[in-house]
Amino acid sequence: DGGITQSPKYLFRKEGQNVTLSCEQNLNHDAMYWYRQDPGQGLRLIYYSQIVNDFQKGDIAEGYSVSREKKESFPLTVTSAQKNPTAFYLCASSTGTGYGYTFGSGTRLTVV
Amino acid sequence: QKEVEQNSGPLSVPEGAIASLNCTYSDRVSQSFFWYRQYSGKSPELIMSIYSNGDKEDGRFTAQLNKASQYVSLLIRDSQPSDSATYLCAVNMYNDYKLSFGAGTTVTVRA
Repeated sequence: DGGITQSPKYLFRKEGQNVTLSCEQNLNHDAMYWYRQDPGQGLRLIYYSQIVNDFQKGDIAEGYSVSREKKESFPLTVTSAQKNPTAFYLCASSTGTGYGYTFGSGTRLTVV
Repeated sequence: QKEVEQNSGPLSVPEGAIASLNCTYSDRVSQSFFWYRQYSGKSPELIMSIYSNGDKEDGRFTAQLNKASQYVSLLIRDSQPSDSATYLCAVNMYNDYKLSFGAGTTVTVRA
C-alpha cells in the first residue's frame, strides 16, 4: 500500500545531540513537508521541498536542517542549536499545488 | 492577522446532534480548502476537500464554501463519540504548494 513512513515513532535526545528523523514515501509525490506540533497547538512549517535537490525554509527553520537527495526521502535533522525540540514532528507529502497532504504517523521527540 | 482562523473550542455536542465548525481565511485568491481530523496523539487525516462555492457532502460530513465571504465550514451530522477529535482547517493559497493551517477546533461528543 502507498503511504508515508516516519521513523522512529519515539525518539529521545540528549542535550547537545543532533538527531535525524526519517520520512519515506512511495506515493510518487513531488512535494514533501515537515511540520512541528506542540501540545494544544496547530502545525508550524519547518521546511518543505517541491523537487529533488531543492528545499525552502518554513516559518521555524532555525535549528533544523533537511536534505532531498531522492524523491522518496526527506529526512529532518534536529540540531543542538534547536533549544526546545520536544514536540510531535509530522512529515507530509502532496502531488503539488491544489492538493491536500498525506501525513505520516509522526515522530514524538523528547529531550532527556 | 492570521492567515487561517478557526472558531475557538472546545466544542461539546450531545450524541446525535450537529457539530458546526467554522474557518475564515485572509487570502482572497485561495483556491483549495481542506478539513483534517486529528485524534489525540495521532497524525491528521484528510476528511473533506472543497474547491468551489457551495456545499459538498460526504456521508455525515458537509463542507460549505463561500469565497466572497472567505469562509469555509464543516458540519458533522448525527455526531458520534468517534467524532471526538481536533478538526484542522487548511487552505491552499493560489499557486502555492504549501497549505496554511488553522489552530484547530477540538470537538467532544458526549453520550
